[in-house]
Amino acid sequence: DAKTTQPNSMESNEEEPVHLPCNHSTISGTDYIHWYRQLPSQGPEYVIHGLTSNVNNRMASLAIAEDRKSSTLILHRATLRDAAVYYCILRDGGSNYKLTFGKGTLLTVNP
Amino acid sequence: DAMVIQNPRYQVTQFGKPVTLSCSQTLNHNVMYWYQQKSSQAPKLLFHYYDKDFNNEADTPDNFQSRRPNTSFCFLDIRSPGLGDAAMYLCATSPIFRRTYEQYFGPGTRLTVT
Repeated sequence: DAKTTQPNSMESNEEEPVHLPCNHSTISGTDYIHWYRQLPSQGPEYVIHGLTSNVNNRMASLAIAEDRKSSTLILHRATLRDAAVYYCILRDGGSNYKLTFGKGTLLTVNP
Repeated sequence: DAMVIQNPRYQVTQFGKPVTLSCSQTLNHNVMYWYQQKSSQAPKLLFHYYDKDFNNEADTPDNFQSRRPNTSFCFLDIRSPGLGDAAMYLCATSPIFRRTYEQYFGPGTRLTVT
């Protein structure tokens, strides 16, 4: 699986937007970009995924660079409940449905 | 609500004493996964079932086994737990037919080995 690089930690203030970056310079044409998050003492939860185009859902937006070598998860208004570890994961869309988690970014949200 | 359920949430076992962790799902998903997550680390895939087909990760120790008697249930057996097996064990499911391959995780079972 291609590797991703994320900052170890980030801080945000409540009700402000948060941009979580992810570098994946070795991404291949069939790799999907998935984001999961893990709240304290819980299992990971799916956030969003995309291939080439930007994506929006009720939780977040995913902005994918034109060359696909990086992406950014955008939380439009952070809440205290968004404090979690955010994982950016590449999944080979050819035939592979497994996920390989990297270290992720620990997001702290300040009141 | 459809969900992934793991029992128990906390399990204590003795060094070398076999232990079984349980996972059930009401989502009717084809694929069920078991992950191990040690403290401050990312989840690590141990193995998964695609329907009845078992798929082991290359670096999963032989000490870890799994059973899936039907679509809804999957078990993780640790034959002889060592202190290094203390971790959170996460079960997840995937609806392959949807082709988005989202994984739905249970809350995990925290295993302590004494």
